[in-house]
Amino acid sequence: GESVGLHLPTLSVQEGDNSIINCAYSNSASDYFIWYKQESGKGPQFIIDIRSNMDKRQGQRVTVLLNKTVKHLSLQIAATQPGDSAVYFCAENKWPGSARQLTFGSGTQLTVLP
Amino acid sequence: IAGITQAPTSQILAAGRRMTLRCTQDMRHNAMYWYRQDLGLGLRLIHYSNTAGTTGKGEVPDGYSVSRANTDDFPLTLASAVPSQTSVYFCASSEGGEQFFGPGTRLTVL
Repeated sequence: GESVGLHLPTLSVQEGDNSIINCAYSNSASDYFIWYKQESGKGPQFIIDIRSNMDKRQGQRVTVLLNKTVKHLSLQIAATQPGDSAVYFCAENKWPGSARQLTFGSGTQLTVLP
Repeated sequence: IAGITQAPTSQILAAGRRMTLRCTQDMRHNAMYWYRQDLGLGLRLIHYSNTAGTTGKGEVPDGYSVSRANTDDFPLTLASAVPSQTSVYFCASSEGGEQFFGPGTRLTVL
């Protein structure tokens, strides 16, 4: 099967700066992507999603960009805060139906420096 | 609102023993999932269920079984645990959209 991945393992940013976390995917048939945040000792928490018929979607302080030409996904966090420190996973949702089988990348550890 | 609860929080288990991890959701979601997360890796799908009474295999189903007798509960059973099943296990549920995850069960098989 195809997989999602190619995360940088770690990313450090200064508090107040913007963060950009990248993800590449290989399954061109995938039509739905999700970003999750996982804090230490907790389960993943949904951040934002995007469908393949979109190239950008914005939430509160977060923006997801999708470039289908190069199969690249990015998560932008504006004005990064200490509470943003966590592991961030992109996930590919292969089945846009009732039971979605998510394929997760290996994650990027974001550390916010004071 | 509890969302998804998992039990136990953690467990140390001798190899060869049988173990059932419990998962309960109170959101009335039709779909439920079990994942395992190993150090430095993303989550991998073990089994899933579209709706009560149905189950399906994910990416890494060997050594695990599930049942879905009702909407709320989705237990995961290790019939005869092996050390390679040492991991953190997450249960999740969804209703056509994002998946909501439980807090996880940390399982160590010795």
